[in-house]
Amino acid sequence: DTAVSQTPKYLVTQMGNDKSIKCEQNLGHDTMYWYKQDSKKFLKIMFSYNNKELIINETVPNRFSPKSPDKAHLNLHINSLELGDSAVYFCASSLTRASYEQYFGPGTRLTVT
Amino acid sequence: AQRVTQPEKLLSVFKGAPVELKCNYSYSGSPELFWYVQYSRQRLQLLLRHISRESIKGFTADLNKGETSFHLKKPFAQEEDSAMYYCALRIIYSGAGSYQLTFGKGTKLSVIP
Repeated sequence: DTAVSQTPKYLVTQMGNDKSIKCEQNLGHDTMYWYKQDSKKFLKIMFSYNNKELIINETVPNRFSPKSPDKAHLNLHINSLELGDSAVYFCASSLTRASYEQYFGPGTRLTVT
Repeated sequence: AQRVTQPEKLLSVFKGAPVELKCNYSYSGSPELFWYVQYSRQRLQLLLRHISRESIKGFTADLNKGETSFHLKKPFAQEEDSAMYYCALRIIYSGAGSYQLTFGKGTKLSVIP
């Protein structure tokens, strides 16, 4: 009974390609997040959606586009992949936008060659 | 801008020895601090928050506003404490009633049997 799931777990692709990472939560939470963890292990917020509405949009290249078809799903689409996009991407959710606890997915390791 | 610093990338201690994982923050507002932990092959999860002032799995952390620190401590380390520990600072995002977490780089704790 996975709370926050991400697919795929691993993604290897070439520069210039377009790829998507999917995230789903079955916790009934209103708020979902995307984080990027780079090679130096910094975990940085990218986006957050609350009930399908974008509420956090950090300084991220516009090649990254999040999409939330419903409050249980938050997908991340990346256009024209670059070497620097290689990282582990984590999805998370919280009960509400004000909740202090976030529940994380297992991560998706993206490698751009 | 807010920042969280964990000066130690790796901390090795013997079983039964005391543990202190250091965390310093910089933030102009009123801080809300957390420790998250990631055990091997598990997800990142909340360990404790400063407001609750409780002990979780024998760990405690006290917020010291004078020193801008939130160090994680345990008097006697156990092998199952081996994990990656992240300190996180929660701040309001753009006054929209939502919050964002800023994480440190993490410290890998290795407890030697």
